[in-house]
Amino acid sequence: EPEVTQTPSHQVTQMGQEVILRCVPISNHLYFYWYRQILGQKVEFLVSFYNNEISEKSEIFDDQFSVERPDGSNFTLKIRSTKLEDSAMYFCASSERWGGSTEAFFGQGTRLTVV
Amino acid sequence: SQKIEQNSEALNIQEGKTATLTCNYTNYSPAYLQWYRQDPGRGPVFLLLIRENEKEKRKERLKVTFDTTLKQSLFHITASQPADSATYLCAQTGEAGTALIFGKGTTLSVSS
Repeated sequence: EPEVTQTPSHQVTQMGQEVILRCVPISNHLYFYWYRQILGQKVEFLVSFYNNEISEKSEIFDDQFSVERPDGSNFTLKIRSTKLEDSAMYFCASSERWGGSTEAFFGQGTRLTVV
Repeated sequence: SQKIEQNSEALNIQEGKTATLTCNYTNYSPAYLQWYRQDPGRGPVFLLLIRENEKEKRKERLKVTFDTTLKQSLFHITASQPADSATYLCAQTGEAGTALIFGKGTTLSVSS
């Protein structure tokens, strides 16, 4: 069964450093998303991406964050100048069609720890 | 802005009983509503999708209802098993309609 793959599974970084989280969406999917989940809290939407541009972003997704699809398979989330409060599980997802009309497939997540 | 509320943070039931989880939303009615399962430390896994013109959807022991008048969806697991213990998330699109927004989830514990 096709799956969304995320690397690394766990990343520890020093406060103020930049991190890049990587995702390989399902190959025939065109819509990509990043979510985060702080420990014990809800899954929060960060950004949606289609046709090489951001379609929608939440208030959380400020100038500290950026996304990129550098080639035909990878989808990355860059977090600049990391803060302690950026520590969370980050999930990548992909879908065949927009938003709620079709199921979203989620990766297993990258646990980011900022120290 | 749209709010999705899952009123119960935790639900404890005995094996074999039916679990019923509630999802309420405010403001506009979405065209679709979805339910996901999340296990600790894992990503959400899709379970069911229901459209606004569907009253009910079933898949094996799972059933979802969608009442646009009440602005509510109910998620039922019949003949529950300990393996059903997990957090269940309700999701719909936000106002821009491009991505799913999740409720806080209800953690179901099924005891044998």
